[in-house]
Amino acid sequence: GEDVEQSLFLSVREGDSSVINCTYTDSSSTYLYWYKQEPGAGLQLLTYIFSNMDMKQDQRLTVLLNKKDKHLSLRIADTQTGDSAIYFCAEKKDTGGFKTIFGAGTRLFVKA
Amino acid sequence: GAVVSQHPSWVICKSGTSVKIECRSLDFQATTMFWYRQFPKQSLMLMATSNEGSKATYEQGVEKDKFLINHASLTLSTLTVTSAHPEDSSFYICSAIRDLNTEAFFGQGTRLTVV
Repeated sequence: GEDVEQSLFLSVREGDSSVINCTYTDSSSTYLYWYKQEPGAGLQLLTYIFSNMDMKQDQRLTVLLNKKDKHLSLRIADTQTGDSAIYFCAEKKDTGGFKTIFGAGTRLFVKA
Repeated sequence: GAVVSQHPSWVICKSGTSVKIECRSLDFQATTMFWYRQFPKQSLMLMATSNEGSKATYEQGVEKDKFLINHASLTLSTLTVTSAHPEDSSFYICSAIRDLNTEAFFGQGTRLTVV
């Protein structure tokens, strides 16, 4: 199966919280990332978490990591229409080199 | 954050021609740069990893003679799509890292259309 899995779509109302989930397979992953991609654009790093952390909060963003279950989530508080984008979960694999593996991306739709 | 710039942002070329895409780290020296390809509504697929001054490491299934990668300096890597075909049309994105312990910074991507 895929190394990193995400649900493909999420729709929320403006002002609600969004939670995007991700599972990964490599227990040796050292960093886990969330990237945002707007249409036709490159990737913007939103936040990342070290594998020895459980949670990281950065303004409206909260990342939760359950290392035992290899589950990562991104919560966006007070979701705005400008948050509509594709969100990619990614893991940095420790394979003797540096390789970032991406999930398929979750397309977030924010309804006004 | 650090800035990585790709050029051009978009390019249209004829079948059979070659196209060069540049990836530059503007405010840091990148020991390693990565090239990704993204099909519509799909994730990024790593094509190759390039280290300055050495040959690129290609992922399985990526033709190294078709996708030529050069990393001549710590701030520039180029991807040349040789003898382009319409099926090479895609969004190509590069990323760069300072060292193995830092996050990757991505370029804005290059949309290649082969007609």
